[in-house]
Amino acid sequence: GAGVSQSPSNKVTEKGKDVELRCDPISGHTALYWYRQRLGQGLEFLIYFQGNSAPDKSGLPSDRFSAERTGESVSTLTIQRTQQEDSAVYLCASSLPVSDTQYFGPGTRLTVL
Amino acid sequence: GENVEQHPSTLSVQEGDSAVIKCTYSDSASNYFPWYKQELGKRPQLIIDIRSNVGEKKDQRIAVTLNKTAKHFSLHITETQPEDSAVYFCAASKDSSYKLIFGSGTRLLVRP
Repeated sequence: GAGVSQSPSNKVTEKGKDVELRCDPISGHTALYWYRQRLGQGLEFLIYFQGNSAPDKSGLPSDRFSAERTGESVSTLTIQRTQQEDSAVYLCASSLPVSDTQYFGPGTRLTVL
Repeated sequence: GENVEQHPSTLSVQEGDSAVIKCTYSDSASNYFPWYKQELGKRPQLIIDIRSNVGEKKDQRIAVTLNKTAKHFSLHITETQPEDSAVYFCAASKDSSYKLIFGSGTRLLVRP
């Protein structure tokens, strides 16, 4: 079946602009996660959605970052007033209810000039 | 919060040799430990995982061991092949949140 998809695959923006990144999880996966991966580094947890529960936002680095999820489907990660340090690959993952195993999307490479 | 440390950061082995990557975690409540392989420019792919009620798990040439008392777990790759060359990440999570806390990664190079 279809895996996790993300769009756009690449995004170049100017410092100070807002960006929106999209994630389409695997159908039936109620859990959705966003991670950030800076060049040559590991993945940092950002935010976690599980069904209709309140999201776990404990990993968001600043109030410029926010995310929404429509029901149990699409999620968007919004970064306002982008800074150069926001440049990274943003990865989305999804999993079945009450399951550990996360499946990752291909990521969005964000470059802030 | 949870912290995961991974060693070594780079590892170079001859084709056919074994490779071992080690991780330690800080939160004793963590109970799920996956390993992901990431090739250049690609998404992380789950290669093996282990839960805290098991001490060892094997899948063909790869195996993972877990020592809950010492809070460390290791990835073992035997008979390495050039296509094993990639960055490997360990991670830990617990039932209450499921969010993965990742190690910093190990770049494995298998020399033909």
